[in-house]
Amino acid sequence: AQKITQTQPGMFVQEKEAVTLDCTYDTSDQSYGLFWYKQPSSGEMIFLIYQGSYDEQNATEGRYSLNFQKARKSANLVISASQLGDSAMYFCAMRGGNTDKLIFGTGTRLQVFP
Amino acid sequence: DVKVTQSSRYLVKRTGEKVFLECVQDMDHENMFWYRQDPGLGLRLIYFSYDVKMKEKGDIPEGYSVSREKKERFSLILESASTNQTSMYLCASSSRADPYSPLHFGNGTRLTVT
Repeated sequence: AQKITQTQPGMFVQEKEAVTLDCTYDTSDQSYGLFWYKQPSSGEMIFLIYQGSYDEQNATEGRYSLNFQKARKSANLVISASQLGDSAMYFCAMRGGNTDKLIFGTGTRLQVFP
Repeated sequence: DVKVTQSSRYLVKRTGEKVFLECVQDMDHENMFWYRQDPGLGLRLIYFSYDVKMKEKGDIPEGYSVSREKKERFSLILESASTNQTSMYLCASSSRADPYSPLHFGNGTRLTVT
């Protein structure tokens, strides 16, 4: 069975600092995809970044990067130069190679303070 | 832009009522999903549909059913609402053509069962 684990219920970071949100996964599939979503207090789910299991380079999207360590089965999200608007819930998710279903972790609440 | 629209933002129903949550997407996506979001539990998949009239159970289908008569519309049905179904319900869609495309979410329906 596939599983996503986010062990940090909450994180604090000062504005302009970098922060890493942890995500580990478990799957027996060789081909899979890993996603990160942001959910601000308004409730909408915003797609941030994607990493494929065969991608050799870590994914980056602006201030977001994904630290993908396949052997350790981890896919941590790194946010550089945090902004107050980054305060939100962050979810890690995975889709296995033979299904279109996405499974989610329990989320990490990030709070950015001035 | 993909638009996923959920018919109600807030809904209050009584125990035992039959409840319909409606979701419509405008991007001709084959896949549609219903998730339930609860604090500390993340997003849990209730049902998934990959084509008209086709459905698969997710992780927590008990007490729910779904209907997909048209490609753009996916309905979640609570046959007899109970207080433990008080939650945030999120609908999403994705394309089958690109299995690693992200899910696009609606804004959610917060259901309260009294």
